[in-house]
Amino acid sequence: SQQGEEDPQALSIQEGENATMNCSYKTSINNLQWYRQNSGRGLVHLILIRSNEREKHSGRLRVTLDTSKKSSSLLITASRAADTASYFCATDPLNNNAGNMLTFGGGTRLMVKP
Amino acid sequence: AAGVIQSPRHLIKEKRETATLKCYPIPRHDTVYWYQQGPGQDPQFLISFYEKMQSDKGSIPDRFSAQQFSDYHSELNMSSLELGDSALYFCASSTVLYNEQFFGPGTRLTVL
Repeated sequence: SQQGEEDPQALSIQEGENATMNCSYKTSINNLQWYRQNSGRGLVHLILIRSNEREKHSGRLRVTLDTSKKSSSLLITASRAADTASYFCATDPLNNNAGNMLTFGGGTRLMVKP
Repeated sequence: AAGVIQSPRHLIKEKRETATLKCYPIPRHDTVYWYQQGPGQDPQFLISFYEKMQSDKGSIPDRFSAQQFSDYHSELNMSSLELGDSALYFCASSTVLYNEQFFGPGTRLTVL
């Protein structure tokens, strides 16, 4: 079953605007990670937020986590055309196993128009 | 900073052939993961290794096998290739204590 689900599936904004992407998940987690992927390219790690954290910043990125609602959001401020990509959330499930798999959501395709 | 290295970057095979993908993790990372991403799909976990032992297994077909070697690099062996195996194959690495996974650039496998 799909652990993470993202919305919207696609988002089109003008350069300079803010973009917000949401992710929901089903089971308890250790952490949640956001990745960016340009079309057909590799996954770039953006940010990790632990289950005991509520908000984290990195440059123009702001991530929030609400474990009671099992949801997270990624906000990109002052967007640029170069931010055009797909953005995935991935959850690290809460257990004691080494080598935990990440479960990815469906991704949000962001297009930033110049 | 060193990143995850994958080879080859592109691979074209015929049906029923075999393929071997290689992954070299970030130095001092002890855990390696393999993911498959079909066209327009999100990445799906295949298998992971910690300290050369298989640690987790996902939707990996029986035709595929993988291992992690003493230098922590990993190889994904794929046999009896099918058209549906055409995908991007990503390797990721992390330390076991801090499961922040960093991905390689991927290997694009095309099965004709």
